[in-house]
Amino acid sequence: AQSVSQHNHHVILSEAASLELGCNYSYGGTVNLFWYVQYPGQHLQLLLKYFSGDPLVKGIKGFEAEFIKSKFSFNLRKPSVQWSDTAEYFCAVSISGTYKYIFGTGTRLKVLA
Amino acid sequence: SQTIHQWPATLVQPVGSPLSLECTVEGTSNPNLYWYRQAAGRGLQLLFYSIGIDQISSEVPQNLSASRPQDRQFILSSKKLLLSDSGFYLCAWSNPETNYGYTFGSGTRLTVV
Repeated sequence: AQSVSQHNHHVILSEAASLELGCNYSYGGTVNLFWYVQYPGQHLQLLLKYFSGDPLVKGIKGFEAEFIKSKFSFNLRKPSVQWSDTAEYFCAVSISGTYKYIFGTGTRLKVLA
Repeated sequence: SQTIHQWPATLVQPVGSPLSLECTVEGTSNPNLYWYRQAAGRGLQLLFYSIGIDQISSEVPQNLSASRPQDRQFILSSKKLLLSDSGFYLCAWSNPETNYGYTFGSGTRLTVV
């Protein structure tokens, strides 16, 4: 069965530190990839998505993610985090041609001011 | 613009009582609709999805059911709640034409006592 793994469950960083959150999926075919963010007390929001083309995708608020097909990975990065980035981040995969998205277990990021 | 409404925001129900959570989408036609349950440390678990009126697919066998009586209305139900049904329930929709990711509702926090 397809699955999505987020190995970092909790991450604590100081402001201005660099961030990289790992996401790996298990499926050999064509996928669409997403990162969602949930700020405290708010809805889940789409952060960025990859469908095709340039494997380096830029999203909102300075976030980017790189799709590495050979590693089945879609890691999220930000060069310098801010206190306001404190949130829970979810990686998601949809198999092309299907309607279902499979989510990872999420990573809780806490940024210390 | 498209909006998604989910209610109630919080609900406390006794064991054995029925459940009805409602989700409606505005500003779009024939959306794909989804019910997820979000549990701490377990990410988002897909419960049901629907690609059309009265077309429901169940992902996880459990004490819950879903119905789609109208194009933009998706209902999550139970005849008799269990303690284990407690959780945070999210409705989401996606555009089947573009599949550009989900838009989530604000969620319902259900506590079964």
